[in-house]
Amino acid sequence: QVQLEQSGSELKKPGASVKVSCKASGYTFTDYAMNWVRQAPGQGLEWMGWINTNTGNPTYAQGFTGRFVFSLDTFASTAYLQISSLEAEDTAVYYCTREGTAMVFDFWGQGTLVTVSS
Amino acid sequence: QSALTQPASVSGSPGQSITISCTGSSSDVGNYNLVSWYQQHPGKAPKLIIYDVTKRPSGVSDRFSASKSGNTASLTISGLQAGDEADYYCCSYAGRSTWVFGGGTTLTVL
Repeated sequence: QVQLEQSGSELKKPGASVKVSCKASGYTFTDYAMNWVRQAPGQGLEWMGWINTNTGNPTYAQGFTGRFVFSLDTFASTAYLQISSLEAEDTAVYYCTREGTAMVFDFWGQGTLVTVSS
Repeated sequence: QSALTQPASVSGSPGQSITISCTGSSSDVGNYNLVSWYQQHPGKAPKLIIYDVTKRPSGVSDRFSASKSGNTASLTISGLQAGDEADYYCCSYAGRSTWVFGGGTTLTVL
């Protein structure tokens, strides 16, 4: 069965970097795009962008350019989200989600809580 | 890209029906039949309940239905149950390989 397993919670200081992983199983990794979604505490879902798992080409939503980087390790069927120069406002749960053939987010990781605090 | 507009909260009694609206623009909801809805229980990941405006994934109750008119999509939940209490988010394709979510609606079952 399809599963997206994300890395565990992170506590970081302002200015540090964090790398969240999302390991896929149960399907051919390169057949489906991977998207990232942010959910700040008590807030709604915010689409961050996606990465083409065939070419590695990322697309970033407005507000997620510069400090946010999507990457892949296709041999390990794993997608990564790296955030640099962390700010308190980056405190959120970050989800990876597979974009299915119907152009819909059909499977989701369990989420990774990133807390930025001094 | 602005978030789609949803009511912050809706409520209903067990057995009743409720409808959640999702208003976008001619650049997203009004231009593509690629509206989906997600249910999120506290502390859990979102779950897909509607896609392509009206379609239900396998395993999703037929108490969930949806539609679209112009720039507004709607989700209807009939025969409300306690387990339906959750946050609901709409999402639309917005062109150029981009997506936009609604602000979310908290459903309270009274």
